[in-house]
Amino acid sequence: DGGITQSPKYLFRKEGQNVTLSCEQNLNHDAMYWYRQDPGQGLRLIYYSQIVNDFQKGDIAEGYSVSREKKESFPLTVTSAQKNPTAFYLCASRGQNSPLHFGNGTRLTVT
Amino acid sequence: GIQVEQSPPDLILQEGANSTLRCNFSDSVNNLQWFHQNPWGQLINLFYIPSGTKQNGRLSATTVATERYSLLYISSSQTTDSGVYFCAVSTSSGSRLTFGEGTQLTVNP
Repeated sequence: DGGITQSPKYLFRKEGQNVTLSCEQNLNHDAMYWYRQDPGQGLRLIYYSQIVNDFQKGDIAEGYSVSREKKESFPLTVTSAQKNPTAFYLCASRGQNSPLHFGNGTRLTVT
Repeated sequence: GIQVEQSPPDLILQEGANSTLRCNFSDSVNNLQWFHQNPWGQLINLFYIPSGTKQNGRLSATTVATERYSLLYISSSQTTDSGVYFCAVSTSSGSRLTFGEGTQLTVNP
């Protein structure tokens, strides 16, 4: 089935460690997105990519990095510079003039 | 950037009741979507509706682009309708989607 796969579902890390969240899609979508959601809040855009080898900062990019080497993959690295990394991270993708589709998310806990 | 406001922030209903959720936006849009986030965090696309009216079972949505708002109607609500409803929009100048803060819906049996 076509869709967006995020792994792992739950992730635990110690403070000071970098961690990479995986996002893979087989929908042949050009655009991919990373959002962060804190408890009781809406979604905030971290980074997005409209085409391979290109990406743009969203509203809260500080402390995060991404790469887009393949159309299917858009991994997000949460660096030690991110002050409050514990959150729910959602990856999404969409094609030209089509709806946004989400993966099931990764819950990251940093202690 | 574009501003998205959703109302009401919270809504509590008895099973069987009808409700209307509203999304106001501050600029012209070329994409508007309604999502339902279930208690497990999954975001389900309900409607892709930059303009006009669509219906899907007990749910329907209307977007009046010229007046910069969209409405989501839920009829005969069920407990499984509980969760957070988000509106998200993008403008003609780019592909990024901006989300509202959501409406938390609780449907009691």
